[in-house]
Amino acid sequence: AQTVTQSQPEMSVQEAETVTLSCTYDTSESDYYLFWYKQPPSRQMILVIRQEAYKQQNATENRFSVNFQKAAKSFSLKISDSQLGDAAMYFCAYRSGGSGAGSYQLTFGKGTKLSVIP
Amino acid sequence: DAGVIQSPRHEVTEMGQEVTLRCKLISGHNSLFWYRQTMMRGLELLIYFNNNVPIDDSGMPEDRFSAKMPNASFSTLKIQPSEPRDSAVYFCASSFGYSPLHFGNGTRLTVT
Repeated sequence: AQTVTQSQPEMSVQEAETVTLSCTYDTSESDYYLFWYKQPPSRQMILVIRQEAYKQQNATENRFSVNFQKAAKSFSLKISDSQLGDAAMYFCAYRSGGSGAGSYQLTFGKGTKLSVIP
Repeated sequence: DAGVIQSPRHEVTEMGQEVTLRCKLISGHNSLFWYRQTMMRGLELLIYFNNNVPIDDSGMPEDRFSAKMPNASFSTLKIQPSEPRDSAVYFCASSFGYSPLHFGNGTRLTVT
């Protein structure tokens, strides 16, 4: 079974600064997808960014980017120019790329609580 | 698109009572997932369906939990009888194929 580990229960960043959240995963598969979800206090789960394992290029979405290291099984999230609205729980998630409906579910890490200091 | 709709948003009940949580999928999505979130265990997959068929229910804690998809756009998660340790936030999510999961706003269940 795949596992996802987020080793930083809490992080803080000064407004306008950059912060990196860590995620590692364990899998024997070569084809898979990785995601970062954001959960603000409203508890809504919001997709931040996704990465296909077969793509070498790191995904970017505006101020959010990832550092995907497939060999190291590492998938960190970088938030640039941090804003107060970035304060939330951030979850790293893994999805198998195997064929068929048995591969559609997400496995989540335990999350990192990010605080943004004004 | 209204997104995934869950009801109720909050539920408070007494131990032993039956609880039913509801979820409406996004139109066109064919996979439905029920997750439970607690401080101790994080987000756990309880069960998921594809094309109305349960694919994996290994995360369902015990027989007190049951989930159904009476049609392609709606699902229920029932707990009978409920216990205090069932207190958690329950999320429903839907997707189509390998598209990202879209989550509802969750139901916070408190069992006293």
